[in-house]
Amino acid sequence: EVQLVQSGPEVKKPGESLKISCKGFGYDFSGYWIGWVRQVPGKGLEWMGIMYPGDSDTRYSPSFQGLVTISADKSISTAYLQLSSLKASDTALYYCAAGDFYYFDYWGQGTLVTVSS
Amino acid sequence: DVVMTQSPLSLPVTPGEPASISCRSNQSLLQSNGYHYLNWYLQKPGQSPQLLIFLSSDRASGVPDRFRGSGSGTDFTLKISRVEAEDVGIYYCMQTLQTPHTFGQGTKVEIK
Repeated sequence: EVQLVQSGPEVKKPGESLKISCKGFGYDFSGYWIGWVRQVPGKGLEWMGIMYPGDSDTRYSPSFQGLVTISADKSISTAYLQLSSLKASDTALYYCAAGDFYYFDYWGQGTLVTVSS
Repeated sequence: DVVMTQSPLSLPVTPGEPASISCRSNQSLLQSNGYHYLNWYLQKPGQSPQLLIFLSSDRASGVPDRFRGSGSGTDFTLKISRVEAEDVGIYYCMQTLQTPHTFGQGTKVEIK
């Protein structure tokens, strides 16, 4: 069974950085794209970027370019989303999702990030 | 960015009755290979989104055949032939023809 298991909820202060993890189980981690999607509480879905762990090909949304870094460690089937210089407006649920470049078959459970002073 | 617009934003439905959601893009989602790069996801209350339809009309694995995606160019539709109680949630269309991939605002489907 394919599963994406994300790290737990985080509470951070403005200006701090954070790295969320997403571990894949039950499939060829290197052979599927992994993307990150943000959902501000009560709002819709925002595509942040996507990475192919096999060759580290990475694409970012211009809205998030320079603010986040997507990476992966193939040896432990884990993808990461690093958020820098956090602001209160970064408070959101962050999902990882895996699949084809053009659609996500599998989703993680989401990681809630709260940024508050 | 490609802008995706869904309607309606709220859809009260009666179990057993059909339902339809529209999704429009501000540019064609047709690739030269003949495929339309339009997906539909359902986010049930308190859950992660799940893929329903990809490439405009292909049902994802395990998705009941009461869900049907159609459309071309810039106009797409998700139809549920007979709504069931478990179909409540927020439906999102998403284009993947160009990066950044973009979602519609979502359509909240609830039981009347």
